[in-house]
Amino acid sequence: EAQVTQNPRYLITVTGKKLTVTCSQNMNHEYMSWYRQDPGLGLRQIYYSMNVEVTDKGDVPEGYKVSRKEKRNFPLILESPSPNQTSLYFCASSRPGQGSYEQYFGPGTRLTVT
Amino acid sequence: AQTVTQSQPEMSVQEAETVTLSCTYDTSESDYYLFWYKQPPSRQMILVIRQEAYKQQNATENRFSVNFQKAAKSFSLKISDSQLGDAAMYFCAYRSAMNSGYSTLTFGKGTMLLVSP
Repeated sequence: EAQVTQNPRYLITVTGKKLTVTCSQNMNHEYMSWYRQDPGLGLRQIYYSMNVEVTDKGDVPEGYKVSRKEKRNFPLILESPSPNQTSLYFCASSRPGQGSYEQYFGPGTRLTVT
Repeated sequence: AQTVTQSQPEMSVQEAETVTLSCTYDTSESDYYLFWYKQPPSRQMILVIRQEAYKQQNATENRFSVNFQKAAKSFSLKISDSQLGDAAMYFCAYRSAMNSGYSTLTFGKGTMLLVSP
């Protein structure tokens, strides 16, 4: 089954404790992306990657890091989480190039930073 | 930069009725794609329908159809014969077709659709 998986699905942590949210896709997609969703703000892109070792900032990259060492994995790293990073996070992947290609989303990770 | 505006934070409809969700966008580009995503309480993002800007014909998917007005930069979603399972947050999204290999989506803030029996 084609899918994007994220772990963990729920996470409660404290300010300053480093954490990683994993994302993996089994569709051999080149393009992967991270979004955060906040009430009244929709989804905003944090980082994206167009292929292995190619990453770039989205609209709200402050406080986040990513890496793309393998095509299927795109982890999101919060080196020193703060309460304003409490949010719902989505990983997504899609084919590159032109075309109305669908972005496939993971199930989301609910992060709470206290 | 492109922006997507959904002016209706919440809409209500009764079962079997028809409802239209509004979306406008701002872009200087001529080639792009537009999408509607549904997010039910499970939080999963589900693609409902897509539209290529170069196509004049409005996209349809079963009970879902769009009214795409390119000159007005409007992309509304019509849901016919509404069902309880249609209750969800709906997001309108834009993606440029100007850069090869680049697939960033710009989302609106969403419209919560409530469906009553």
